[in-house]
Amino acid sequence: EIVVTQSPASLSVSPGGSATLSCSASRGVGTNVAWYQQKHGQAPRLFIYGASTRATGVPARFSGSGSGTDFTLTINGLQSEDFAVYYCQQYWNWPPRGTFGPGTKVEIK
Amino acid sequence: EVQLVESGGDVVQPGGSVRLSCAASGFAFSSFEMDWVRQAPGKGLEWVAYIRSSGESTEYADFVKGRFTISRDNGKNLLFLQLDSLRAEDTAVYFCARAMIRGIVLDSWGQGTLVTVSS
Repeated sequence: EIVVTQSPASLSVSPGGSATLSCSASRGVGTNVAWYQQKHGQAPRLFIYGASTRATGVPARFSGSGSGTDFTLTINGLQSEDFAVYYCQQYWNWPPRGTFGPGTKVEIK
Repeated sequence: EVQLVESGGDVVQPGGSVRLSCAASGFAFSSFEMDWVRQAPGKGLEWVAYIRSSGESTEYADFVKGRFTISRDNGKNLLFLQLDSLRAEDTAVYFCARAMIRGIVLDSWGQGTLVTVSS
């Protein structure tokens, strides 16, 4: 089973600032990584897949990068609606056991 | 518009059973792989089960251990999750979700239904 870790567990950012979220896989997963945003009390929403492709309707201030074992989600010019928990997901292995990371909470500073 | 609406969540005693449903609309349900993902209170996302578009193939998380069964009715655009032998640690919001890539990249989610296992 591939283990996905995320860092930091939480970070505080001022509105208008930038945030860099990291995701690591215990072994190489190519670019088979997705990112989801979840706001409190809501369902998750797909934001990035293929490590760097934005899903429909996702603003350009969100960008994903990486391949192999290390991945990054960068948010530039944070807006109030961006404060949420972000989950990293690898989809290299099948069945997809352990597919999600533990999440990074982005909070208002 | 894609819509997924879960129902069936309840308070259940340990060892009990519950059947969750997910009503799909706004897309060709029979063409898509589907999954169930759960989230315990205050915790992260945890994949539970997968079913192929035809319903002929299924996969489960290790913790399921034969206790849960995923199924679908393509004629009625419904997805199901039968949960048996429930334990306290199964308490969670259960989401149904549509897969767009490799059966597990999930591009549409329901709002979730809460299962509470408690005596």
